[in-house]
Amino acid sequence: EDKVVQSPLSLVVHEGDTVTLNCSYEVTNFRSLLWYKQEKKAPTFLFMLTSSGIEKKSGRLSSILDKKELFSILNITATQTGDSAIYLCAVPTQGGSEKLVFGKGTKLTVNP
Amino acid sequence: DAGVTQSPTHLIKTRGQQVTLRCSPKSGHDTVSWYQQALGQGPQFIFQYYEEEERQRGNFPDRFSGHQFPNYSSELNVNALLLGDSALYLCASSLVSLAGTKQYFGPGTRLTVT
Repeated sequence: EDKVVQSPLSLVVHEGDTVTLNCSYEVTNFRSLLWYKQEKKAPTFLFMLTSSGIEKKSGRLSSILDKKELFSILNITATQTGDSAIYLCAVPTQGGSEKLVFGKGTKLTVNP
Repeated sequence: DAGVTQSPTHLIKTRGQQVTLRCSPKSGHDTVSWYQQALGQGPQFIFQYYEEEERQRGNFPDRFSGHQFPNYSSELNVNALLLGDSALYLCASSLVSLAGTKQYFGPGTRLTVT
């Protein structure tokens, strides 16, 4: 059965800290891994990773994929209170329908 | 460019009742997926619609059914509501491309069953 595991489940940091969120996966016919940020309701798309070892960056956020070890990390540098959210990792399963299997998410709280 | 929209935003129902949730996909998208997100959990796939047909289904009972209309909008129906159906229901739309498929989520409908 396809599986995505995120760690830690919860994290509390102070503004300015750097955080690393982890996502490991077991899925047949891996094609991509996606990261989403969920603040109140709608998960918003952050990154899609398909190639191993290539870092994707967007401002203070970056992510990298290791297809050999089956994991991805999401880094956030110089955290701000606005980064407080649940970060979700998801992998599309086989079958062409692009059904996403999600991890439970990491709840990040950034305190002033 | 309007994103994915869902209605209603909140809903309170009683056990045994039936509910219909609605979703309009992002402009240009032809595929709609529905997810259920319980508190403290990641979204769980319910089903996906493409060309007005259910293309794939997750591990949800037949009480959960759906429909896609010619304009690609979609409905999720849940019959005989149970307390455990209380959750955030998310709709996602997507368009397959060679670069891979990104799913864009709507704001969700918060369903409370009492």
